[in-house]
Amino acid sequence: DQQVKQNSPSLSVQEGRISILNCDYTNSMFDYFLWYKKYPAEGPTFLISISSIKDKNEDGRFTVFLNKSAKHLSLHIVPSQPGDSAVYFCAAGGSGGYQKVTFGTGTKLQVIP
Amino acid sequence: SQTIHQWPATLVQPVGSPLSLECTVEGTSNPNLYWYRQAAGRGLQLLFYSVGIGQISSEVPQNLSASRPQDRQFILSSKKLLLSDSGFYLCTWGDSYEQYFGPGTRLTVT
Repeated sequence: DQQVKQNSPSLSVQEGRISILNCDYTNSMFDYFLWYKKYPAEGPTFLISISSIKDKNEDGRFTVFLNKSAKHLSLHIVPSQPGDSAVYFCAAGGSGGYQKVTFGTGTKLQVIP
Repeated sequence: SQTIHQWPATLVQPVGSPLSLECTVEGTSNPNLYWYRQAAGRGLQLLFYSVGIGQISSEVPQNLSASRPQDRQFILSSKKLLLSDSGFYLCTWGDSYEQYFGPGTRLTVT
């Protein structure tokens, strides 16, 4: 059962435009959400997070929006740059002593110069 | 600062052969450690996690096993590899909900 879903396996965006990556989750116990960026043959790196008490978190060009009622979050990248081309993973964590994080299947973003 | 080491970086093994992937963490003590696998066209699948020496929890049934012989060492093993074990294996340590990833091991089972 895929508790964290990224329904778009790929996305292409022109440089300078907005990239919107979407993520849906099914487990209402999740209370912390994260986005990771992954280049080929490397481990993912943390990008931005949001806790369930917020609906928006911004860090430079990256903004994450959380809609708890819809169990949906999105990552906005504005403006998109060619260096943003990577696979983006959405992840969710819930209360639990081992701090388990569940990852989505990833969305491959290509920013076209 | 914390650092995660994984080796080998790439590995090609025949079906039925054993496997041992090692992960060590520097710069932190008593970390939560995790093994993930990214198979072709799939997301990051949690395989094992450990909250302390000798404590291993398995997330999915498979022919893989994990061990934590020391506080900052996490080992992924298999007695007999299957073709479906091919993938990119990532060791991580967790701080709060954030996961800090190692460089990964690309395993190809032939």
